[in-house]
Amino acid sequence: DTEVTQTPKHLVMGMTNKKSLKCEQHMGHRAMYWYKQKAKKPPELMFVYSYEKLSINESVPSRFSPECPNSSLLNLHLHALQPEDSALYLCASSQEGWGYGYTFGSGTRLTVV
Amino acid sequence: GENVEQHPSTLSVQEGDSAVIKCTYSDSASNYFPWYKQELGKRPQLIIDIRSNVGEKKDQRIAVTLNKTAKHFSLHITETQPEDSAVYFCAASNYGQNFVFGPGTRLSVLP
Repeated sequence: DTEVTQTPKHLVMGMTNKKSLKCEQHMGHRAMYWYKQKAKKPPELMFVYSYEKLSINESVPSRFSPECPNSSLLNLHLHALQPEDSALYLCASSQEGWGYGYTFGSGTRLTVV
Repeated sequence: GENVEQHPSTLSVQEGDSAVIKCTYSDSASNYFPWYKQELGKRPQLIIDIRSNVGEKKDQRIAVTLNKTAKHFSLHITETQPEDSAVYFCAASNYGQNFVFGPGTRLSVLP
């Protein structure tokens, strides 16, 4: 299996809702990432997990809460989001060490209404 | 922190011609430089990468060159085809994990 699987593919949520994005990989990658991508912009790093521990948090608002239950799964819990949080949320994974590119999932397109 | 610039922002070429996209980076400690292709509505996909101990790498019609002294690297696509049309992102990192992406180049290959 050489893929990163993200669910759901599309999500519409109200500003008072709580929802979760899910990401799964079975490539044995020990680094997993959440990126946010706005239209016509590059991906922006949100969180990095290394060996199931949060290693980088790019000053993301607390309404985004990541979780890594095990080495294959990564979740992003969403609560009280704002319309400006509407974007494509990409999960990625990579091998640890120098010179390994990311494998991205197909993303969740989130719309906050 | 690292800053990556990318030029041009848009590029149109005739099918069969070559395309070149250039990126510059600011952090001399960066040592890994991947290139991603993102088609409309799809995920970014790694197309080629280069480590700082190598000056050039080629994979069929795609090549990447790195000039560490000048802190720039370039993507070269030869014999372009319509399916090469996409947004291309360069990135730079220091021993992995945190990639800083360039702003992207929208390549259009005209038949």
